[in-house]
Amino acid sequence: AQTVTQSQPEMSVQEAETVTLSCTYDTSESDYYLFWYKQPPSRQMILVIRQEAYKQQNATENRFSVNFQKAAKSFSLKISDSQLGDAAMYFCAYNAGGTSYGKLTFGQGTILTVHP
Amino acid sequence: EPEVTQTPSHQVTQMGQEVILRCVPISNHLYFYWYRQILGQKVEFLVSFYNNEISEKSEIFDDQFSVERPDGSNFTLKIRSTKLEDSAMYFCASSEALRTAGSPLHFGNGTRLTVT
Repeated sequence: AQTVTQSQPEMSVQEAETVTLSCTYDTSESDYYLFWYKQPPSRQMILVIRQEAYKQQNATENRFSVNFQKAAKSFSLKISDSQLGDAAMYFCAYNAGGTSYGKLTFGQGTILTVHP
Repeated sequence: EPEVTQTPSHQVTQMGQEVILRCVPISNHLYFYWYRQILGQKVEFLVSFYNNEISEKSEIFDDQFSVERPDGSNFTLKIRSTKLEDSAMYFCASSEALRTAGSPLHFGNGTRLTVT
């Protein structure tokens, strides 16, 4: 069974600085999808970024980028120029695709605090 | 931007009672999901639903759970006889693509279910 591990329960960063959130996963699949979701106090889970495992290029979305290391099964999220609105719980998630389309396996989450 | 909406935001029920959690997915979406998050634990997949039938369900989704899309717009989760351990945040999600793995899930704000 696939597992997703986020080893940092909490992280903090100064406004305008850069922070990296860690995620590792375990799978025997060769093709899969990885996601970072953000959950602010409003509780809604918001997609931040996604990565297809068959793509070697790391995904980027504005201030958010990932470091995808397929061999190491590592998928970290880098937030540059952190803003107060980035404060939230961040979840790493895995999807095997195929017949398990839409079934996400989540990590435990990392609470990110942004200090002004 | 279209949103997934869930009602109520908080539901309190007594053990043994039936409860129905309601969701309105994004209108052009084809796949629908329920996830739950017990306080302090991971977000867990419950069930996926497509073309008016369950596509996949987890071991959590036992006979006390059922899902329905009664009128083409609402998507409901019914828990027949609630237990204390059903207390959790329940998230509805939807996605648009037909069998396109990696298509992002759009989540609602969740319904907090408290069983007393």
